[in-house]
Amino acid sequence: GNSVTQMEGPVTLSEEAFLTINCTYTATGYPSLFWYVQYPGEGLQLLLKATKADDKGSNKGFEATYRKETTSFHLEKGSVQVSDSAVYFCALTLFGNEKLTFGTGTRLTIIP
Amino acid sequence: DTGVSQNPRHKITKRGQNVTFRCDPISEHNRLYWYRQTLGQGPEFLTYFQNEAQLEKSRLLSDRFSAERPKGSFSTLEIQRTEQGDSAMYLCASSYQSVLNTEAFFGQGTRLTVV
Repeated sequence: GNSVTQMEGPVTLSEEAFLTINCTYTATGYPSLFWYVQYPGEGLQLLLKATKADDKGSNKGFEATYRKETTSFHLEKGSVQVSDSAVYFCALTLFGNEKLTFGTGTRLTIIP
Repeated sequence: DTGVSQNPRHKITKRGQNVTFRCDPISEHNRLYWYRQTLGQGPEFLTYFQNEAQLEKSRLLSDRFSAERPKGSFSTLEIQRTEQGDSAMYLCASSYQSVLNTEAFFGQGTRLTVV
């Protein structure tokens, strides 16, 4: 079956630190990959996506590259801000069926 | 359009009671999804509709759960004879199915507590 494995949290970093949240996946076929973010008190929001191997998704300073050879989609940001504190979910879908399979989420806290 | 709307935001119910949640998707979206999220976990797929047709149901959706989307617009999720294990956040999402677009937009969820 399809599954997503995310880095265990919580993660606490100082402002301006470099961020990596690891995500690996197992899928039958060729998935599209996503990072969703959930800010406190808000719904899930799409942060970025990549639909084929070697694609790089980027948004708000965050980046993730679809690595087929390592079945990974790690989230990175060069300099985090307090406002990035949230829960981050890695997810996948398969073409023709857009139901999302999510990882367990990683809670990120940025301290000033 | 204000996005995907879910009502109520919170629901507390006694074990054994029935509850119904409503989801209003983004107006031109033809696909609507229900997910369940328990504490510390990612959302898990329950079911989805394309227009008014329910195309897939997860094994998680026991026979106490039923979902409808009667006119291809809003959807309801009903849980009969609630159990404490049903306590969770119930999320609705919608999307417009096309060859290129696979982005789903989520509502803020309905938090159910069964006491």
